[in-house]
Amino acid sequence: EAGVVQSPRYKIIEKKQPVAFWCNPISGHNTLYWYRQNLGQGPELLIRYENEEAVDDSQLPKDRFSAERLKGVDSTLKIQPAELGDSAVYLCASSALGGIGLLATNEKLFFGSGTQLSVL
Amino acid sequence: AQKITQTQPGMFVQEKEAVTLDCTYDTSDPSYGLFWYKQPSSGEMIFLIYQGSYDQQNATEGRYSLNFQKARKSANLVISASQLGDSAMYFCAMREAPYNQGGKLIFGQGTELSVKP
Repeated sequence: EAGVVQSPRYKIIEKKQPVAFWCNPISGHNTLYWYRQNLGQGPELLIRYENEEAVDDSQLPKDRFSAERLKGVDSTLKIQPAELGDSAVYLCASSALGGIGLLATNEKLFFGSGTQLSVL
Repeated sequence: AQKITQTQPGMFVQEKEAVTLDCTYDTSDPSYGLFWYKQPSSGEMIFLIYQGSYDQQNATEGRYSLNFQKARKSANLVISASQLGDSAMYFCAMREAPYNQGGKLIFGQGTELSVKP
């Protein structure tokens, strides 16, 4: 079974340029997450989707970041324009559980290998 | 306030020995889940083990076990018989319930484990 697939693996851009990351979750997983991991730190949630609905985007910097999951399968995260502080690893994850009202404390996330972004 | 604290930035262990990675957490919610993930240099986060707050016994998965001390709010990961392939970053994470009210997975800052031959 294929895992979570992300592309590109690495991206180097100049500040003020746009950049996009793509994620294909594990087949059948209805919940998709984008995390950002700064150097030497743990991942931090940017946005969570259940199917095509963004149910938690409270930590997404909406002035420059956008995300979409139009058909409830793969997803794209975009930054426009990129700033030096956006340099980080962007991780995508998916899970099979989810849904409003479920006490899914044991929901296990499967992660992709991430996209390492360097903004010069 | 820091929800998950990993106080060991780096750890060394001799191959075949056991090692304990520390994790303390902070929550007022009686229902929560604790996770450990491994992140090798390839970057992928690999799930290792899960412990629910109501679980009576400590979780075990092969060479991994979780030393859950609820009163002390600690969830240490024990790796027995360390192997060279265990060298990686290890992250402790917590989820509070209910998820739809902000119980997202929160990670600690990680511990870098190096296994010496």
